Amino acid sequence: DTEVTQTPKHLVMGMTNKKSLKCEQHMGHRAMYWYKQKAKKPPELMFVYSYEKLSINESVPSRFSPECPNSSLLNLHLHALQPEDSALYLCASSPSAEAYGYTFGSGTRLTVV
Amino acid sequence: GENVEQHPSTLSVQEGDSAVIKCTYSDSASNYFPWYKQELGKRPQLIIDIRSNVGEKKDQRIAVTLNKTAKHFSLHITETQPEDSAVYFCAASRNSGYALNFGKGTSLLVTP
Repeated sequence: DTEVTQTPKHLVMGMTNKKSLKCEQHMGHRAMYWYKQKAKKPPELMFVYSYEKLSINESVPSRFSPECPNSSLLNLHLHALQPEDSALYLCASSPSAEAYGYTFGSGTRLTVV
Repeated sequence: GENVEQHPSTLSVQEGDSAVIKCTYSDSASNYFPWYKQELGKRPQLIIDIRSNVGEKKDQRIAVTLNKTAKHFSLHITETQPEDSAVYFCAASRNSGYALNFGKGTSLLVTP
């Protein structure tokens, strides 16, 4: 398996909802990432997990809460989001703590209404 | 932090012509430079990458060159085809940084 799988592919949520995005990889990669991508913009780093520990948090608002239950899974918990949080959320993984060999998931298209 | 500049923001070429996209970076410690292709509504896909100990790398119609002294690297696509139309992102990273710092992207259109 050489893929990063993200679910759901599309999500519409209200500003008072709580939802979670899921990411899974079975390549034995030890670093996993969340990126946010707005239309016609590059991906922006949100969080990095290395060996299941949060190593980078790029000043992301607390309404986004990451979780890494094990080396294959990465979640992003969403609560009280704003319409401007609507974007494509990309998960990625790489073999180690270096950025070589990134594999991106297909993303979750999030719309906040 | 690292700042990656990418030019041009849009590029239109005729099928069969070459396309060149250029990036500059600011962090002299950066040592890994991947290029991603992203089609509309899809994930970024790695098309080629280069490490700082190499000056040039080629894969069929795609090549990347790196000038560490000038801190710039370029993507070259030869014999372009309509299916090459997409947004291309350059990125830079260093060993200890984990994360990729992306350029703003180049929207490439190849017209038949």
